[in-house]
Amino acid sequence: AQSVAQPEDQVNVAEGNPLTVKCTYSVSGNPYLFWYVQYPNRGLQFLLKYITGDNLVKGSYGFEAEFNKSQTSFHLKKPSALVSDSALYFCAVRALGTYKYIFGTGTRLKVLA
Amino acid sequence: DAMVIQNPRYQVTQFGKPVTLSCSQTLNHNVMYWYQQKSSQAPKLLFHYYDKDFNNEADTPDNFQSRRPNTSFCFLDIRSPGLGDAAMYLCATSEREVSYEQYFGPGTRLTVT
Repeated sequence: AQSVAQPEDQVNVAEGNPLTVKCTYSVSGNPYLFWYVQYPNRGLQFLLKYITGDNLVKGSYGFEAEFNKSQTSFHLKKPSALVSDSALYFCAVRALGTYKYIFGTGTRLKVLA
Repeated sequence: DAMVIQNPRYQVTQFGKPVTLSCSQTLNHNVMYWYQQKSSQAPKLLFHYYDKDFNNEADTPDNFQSRRPNTSFCFLDIRSPGLGDAAMYLCATSEREVSYEQYFGPGTRLTVT
């Protein structure tokens, strides 16, 4: 079965410090991996994706993620956190051979001033 | 700007009174999705369309129906809303094998009284 795990319900980080939000996956074949951010009472907003190519993917708002095939991970990172980054983050994988996406349970990021 | 639009943003309905949520897109994407999201949990896929082909999730209650009269519009009908159907409903689109990521609307928050 294909799945995505976000092991942390919440991550707290001080403004200006680097942040990491963790995601691991279990899929058959080559994964299509995504990160989305959700602000209160809004839809999900696409941040970045890994389809193929370089393992380090850069996305919106200074976020990046590293695809690690051996560890089946796709952690979201940012070198210097902003208070405005505080939101709910979802990792997702597209199920093989379908147009369906499997979402992790989400990680709430709180950046402290 | 091309986008996914959901109307209304907030909907209040009475227990058992049918309600329709609407979604439109200017992206001309082939695939449209309806998700239910409760209390900052992961979005739960209800169904999706690939063009006019309807794909229902096995655990989507019969109370939920959908229509896609054309590429641009998709509707979610809840025939007899229960208190447990109160949630955020998210519409999303994706483009077959081009960009892979989903584009989400802002969501409709449904309250059942």
